Amino acid sequence: QVQLQESGPGLVRPSETLSLTCAVSGGSIRSSDWWSWVRQPPGKGLEWIGEISYSGGTNFNPSFKSRVSMSVDRSKNQFSLKLTSVTAADTAVFYCASGEYFADWGQGTLVTVSS
Amino acid sequence: EIVLTQSPGTLSLSPGERATLSCRASQSVRGSSLAWFHQQAGQAPRLLIYGASSRATGIPDRFSGSGSGTDFTLTISRLEPEDFAVYYCQQYSSSPVTFGQGTRLEIK
Repeated sequence: QVQLQESGPGLVRPSETLSLTCAVSGGSIRSSDWWSWVRQPPGKGLEWIGEISYSGGTNFNPSFKSRVSMSVDRSKNQFSLKLTSVTAADTAVFYCASGEYFADWGQGTLVTVSS
Repeated sequence: EIVLTQSPGTLSLSPGERATLSCRASQSVRGSSLAWFHQQAGQAPRLLIYGASSRATGIPDRFSGSGSGTDFTLTISRLEPEDFAVYYCQQYSSSPVTFGQGTRLEIK
């Protein structure tokens, strides 16, 4: 079991790029094959954005494929999400999660897209 | 994409009662790669069940999961006050990973 902590700006302007980082503590980023990002718009359900392996391989939800990128920094034990061309519809709590079936989650960070 | 449909949308029960939540998949979930989570207001989801029937670390035995193929069930044998929350099923057998829309378990 590891601890995850999301960080990044809480406010992003429309058409700009949302950037978040998930720091892994209490274990190595190598402890899990895959690391995911999930979002939850206010009052709505969960949506998987994509995943990255500790070696840098990625799988993305086709709903985001043209706008999303992920990276991993093994030296800092963290991984990151970038979502481009954001709109108000991207306002959500963003979570990072570990492993095949999301055993560990970060506390989540609210990102609001607004001018 | 595998679509997961949860029922009922809302379930009203009293502490001590038994809860049965359903998750139906639009196509077969290979390897029983289905998980259940619950989410309290303002908190992150917490894994309850993976592999359709295996309890996650620290989850009490009043929670049990069953099913295979396209039909899955989460049963809570005797509801405790902390069990009233929103429950989500998730399939991780094929990409994209998908979640059900949730079942709200509320105190009657």
